[in-house]
Amino acid sequence: NAGVTQTPKFQVLKTGQSMTLQCAQDMNHEYMSWYRQDPGMGLRLIHYSVGAGITDQGEVPNGYNVSRSTTEDFPLRLLSAAPSQTSVYFCASSPQGGSYGYTFGSGTRLTVV
Amino acid sequence: SQQGEEDPQALSIQEGENATMNCSYKTSINNLQWYRQNSGRGLVHLILIRSNEREKHSGRLRVTLDTSKKSSSLLITASRAADTASYFCATEGNSGYSTLTFGKGTMLLVSP
Repeated sequence: NAGVTQTPKFQVLKTGQSMTLQCAQDMNHEYMSWYRQDPGMGLRLIHYSVGAGITDQGEVPNGYNVSRSTTEDFPLRLLSAAPSQTSVYFCASSPQGGSYGYTFGSGTRLTVV
Repeated sequence: SQQGEEDPQALSIQEGENATMNCSYKTSINNLQWYRQNSGRGLVHLILIRSNEREKHSGRLRVTLDTSKKSSSLLITASRAADTASYFCATEGNSGYSTLTFGKGTMLLVSP
């Protein structure tokens, strides 16, 4: 099993550009989440999904869109990148939400200039 | 907003010593989890303790939970240099959809 795979690992964007961070899991997990990690801030929840076709906002959703058309994939779209979105992004999945441990991807380090 | 707050923010010990990290949270929870993050890597799930449990063990890890004080502690016994990492507590609330809220972490340095 590959677990949770995130691509790309590194990305530099110019302000105003859009892009999609990819996340795929092969464990048939229903729950998937996107977090951002900033120095001194821990991890903050951006969006999450409890199954294909069902998504909801987390703590810091502004500037990001998600969709979940399949159980395996949960892409995160940055609509118009801003320097404030410079961060490390982590995707995570779980069989049934927080009642079980989450499996994390290795992260995408995004810099917006 | 952060649910859990870890204490201390940083901890430096020698190999063989025990390391204790604390986590406090604000609202009622279903469970509390601890994760480890090595520098530049993703988080790894260590242990989960449910709200009706008071103590749990896994190898060299011991977790306690006091729901009356809204606090938890993670004890790593006989620390090794490989335990050097950041440790995060995360809570699952007991309302709405099941998601995790993370604290800011404790950075542990274990010196040989």
